[in-house]
Amino acid sequence: EAGVAQSPRYKIIEKRQSVAFWCNPISGHATLYWYQQILGQGPKLLIQFQNNGVVDDSQLPKDRFSAERLKGVDSTLKIQPAKLEDSAVYLCASSLQGFGAFFGQGTRLTVV
Amino acid sequence: GIQVEQSPPDLILQEGANSTLRCNFSDSVNNLQWFHQNPWGQLINLFYIPSGTKQNGRLSATTVATERYSLLYISSSQTTDSGVYFCAVAGVEAAGNKLTFGGGTRVLVKP
Repeated sequence: EAGVAQSPRYKIIEKRQSVAFWCNPISGHATLYWYQQILGQGPKLLIQFQNNGVVDDSQLPKDRFSAERLKGVDSTLKIQPAKLEDSAVYLCASSLQGFGAFFGQGTRLTVV
Repeated sequence: GIQVEQSPPDLILQEGANSTLRCNFSDSVNNLQWFHQNPWGQLINLFYIPSGTKQNGRLSATTVATERYSLLYISSSQTTDSGVYFCAVAGVEAAGNKLTFGGGTRVLVKP
């Protein structure tokens, strides 16, 4: 069974530029999560989808971050414009009801 | 929202030693998972354990849901066990199985 796929693995951008991350969840998993992990901290939930509907986006900085899940499968997370404090690893995960969440390898973003 | 605390924050072990990591949470949960984050940043599932006891090789975990804690046991530790161990929970009040992570326990196993 294929795992959660994310791309790119690494990205370096200048502040005020925009960036987008892509995630393909495990086939059949209705729930998709985007987490932000700052160095030395635990992951923090940014947004959670159930199929193509948003379940929780309470910690998403909506003035600069946006996310969508097309047709309830793939998802993209966008930052525009980026700030220095957005430097972090962005993790995508998916889950099936009653089972655990599985994580992709993450995208390491550096904003300079 | 639910609070998750892990202890100890750091742990240094000699290869072959045993250890116990603890996760306390502030509310009833319907999901609890243990993850190992390896040096490359990948979060690896160890256990899905909202209650009860499970074992997988040298690792085992116990969750006592009524007392709001979970324990992860590492026996005969190896250098490959190094990394950060995270506990993540979904409170029964959380919509859609939202996982909240603790701060992690950083483990270093010395040869």
